[in-house]
Amino acid sequence: DQQVKQNSPSLSVQEGRISILNCDYTNSMFDYFLWYKKYPAEGPTFLISISSIKDKNEDGRFTVFLNKSAKHLSLHIVPSQPGDSAVYFCAASEGGGTSYGKLTFGQGTILTVHP
Amino acid sequence: DAGITQSPRHKVTETGTPVTLRCHQTENHRYMYWYRQDPGHGLRLIHYSYGVKDTDKGEVSDGYSVSRSKTEDFLLTLESATSSQTSVYFCAISPLPGQGQGTQYFGPGTRLLVL
Repeated sequence: DQQVKQNSPSLSVQEGRISILNCDYTNSMFDYFLWYKKYPAEGPTFLISISSIKDKNEDGRFTVFLNKSAKHLSLHIVPSQPGDSAVYFCAASEGGGTSYGKLTFGQGTILTVHP
Repeated sequence: DAGITQSPRHKVTETGTPVTLRCHQTENHRYMYWYRQDPGHGLRLIHYSYGVKDTDKGEVSDGYSVSRSKTEDFLLTLESATSSQTSVYFCAISPLPGQGQGTQYFGPGTRLLVL
């Protein structure tokens, strides 16, 4: 039972254009969502997060949108740069003292930004 | 970068042998996690720790055990390695989970090959 899904295994965009990565979840108890970026042979790096009380969070070129009714979140990268080429994972957690911060990850989307 | 190291970084072992992977942190964070990354599955939680000597199972804990005798070290043991445990293993730490924050910071990973 995949509670967090990234249905696009890969995405290819031109430098300077917008990259949109999508993620869907099924567990309505998730209340905190994160995006990680991963380069080959390295550990995932935290990128941006959003709490369920918000519908948008921005950090420079990166914006995460959350649509709770659709159980959908997306990551927008504008403008895309070749250095953004990596695997992107979305993750979710349940709040409250009993969850211990455990994250459930999607399968990942390989983003390739062409010069 | 969070102070997280993993050792060894690469290991080749034979089926049936025990293997121990070490995660060491210098951040004094209470919560630590072990994940494995496999194609098509993203990252999956194996075990986690919410304090010294306090551990619990994650999603894919069969065949694995953990120990945490001090804050900075979290050990993952494959009791009798199998080929299905060939994977990349990541350790993560978190400063303040359980309050809707839950951001985790990852180590560089250990690539394990079981022959």
